[in-house]
Amino acid sequence: AAGVIQSPRHLIKEKRETATLKCYPIPRHDTVYWYQQGPGQDPQFLISFYEKMQSDKGSIPDRFSAQQFSDYHSELNMSSLELGDSALYFCASSLGQLQGANSPLHFGNGTRLTVT
Amino acid sequence: AQKVTQAQTEISVVEKEDVTLDCVYETRDTTYYLFWYKQPPSGELVFLIRRNSFDEQNEISGRYSWNFQKSTSSFNFTITASQVVDSAVYFCALSEGKGGANNLFFGTGTRLTVIP
Repeated sequence: AAGVIQSPRHLIKEKRETATLKCYPIPRHDTVYWYQQGPGQDPQFLISFYEKMQSDKGSIPDRFSAQQFSDYHSELNMSSLELGDSALYFCASSLGQLQGANSPLHFGNGTRLTVT
Repeated sequence: AQKVTQAQTEISVVEKEDVTLDCVYETRDTTYYLFWYKQPPSGELVFLIRRNSFDEQNEISGRYSWNFQKSTSSFNFTITASQVVDSAVYFCALSEGKGGANNLFFGTGTRLTVIP
């Protein structure tokens, strides 16, 4: 079965650079979520989109932005990168309204961002 | 305040032993969902189970079983006859009932090591 696809798998950037992470949800899933997992930490919710509209916002820094496109893929844009942004970034997708609230989130394999 | 508490940071068991991972949650919502995810050393987050707040029936899936008790706000996870492949970090998570996209609040995770 098709899963959530994230690219790239690994990314190395220097401080103050920008990065763009991409996420392709499971086909027919209408909701996308972004999570950040620091070393030894639990995943922290950043932001979510339902039907291409932002639906919820968590602890996402102002330096980060995200959007969901017409084909439902999503991109997380990160600017003025800091050392503390080094983390594993997960994208997840689910069926939002169609299957009712709280259908399981299916996660991608993550993008490991290292800021040097 | 942490919505999901996993008091056990690390657990080590010898192969074939049974092990229970504890999860205690906190919510004011009457409708909510509880999840367990597995994060093996490779880093991906693997969905294991979802329960809704109206279904306290315990569930068994192979060597895995879950005990949901609303009276104690607990959703514990037991692995029977543990195997080395069970070694991973296990996260308990909570999603509170509301329409649209529903983000997850994760516990801090329990690192399980199964010793051959």
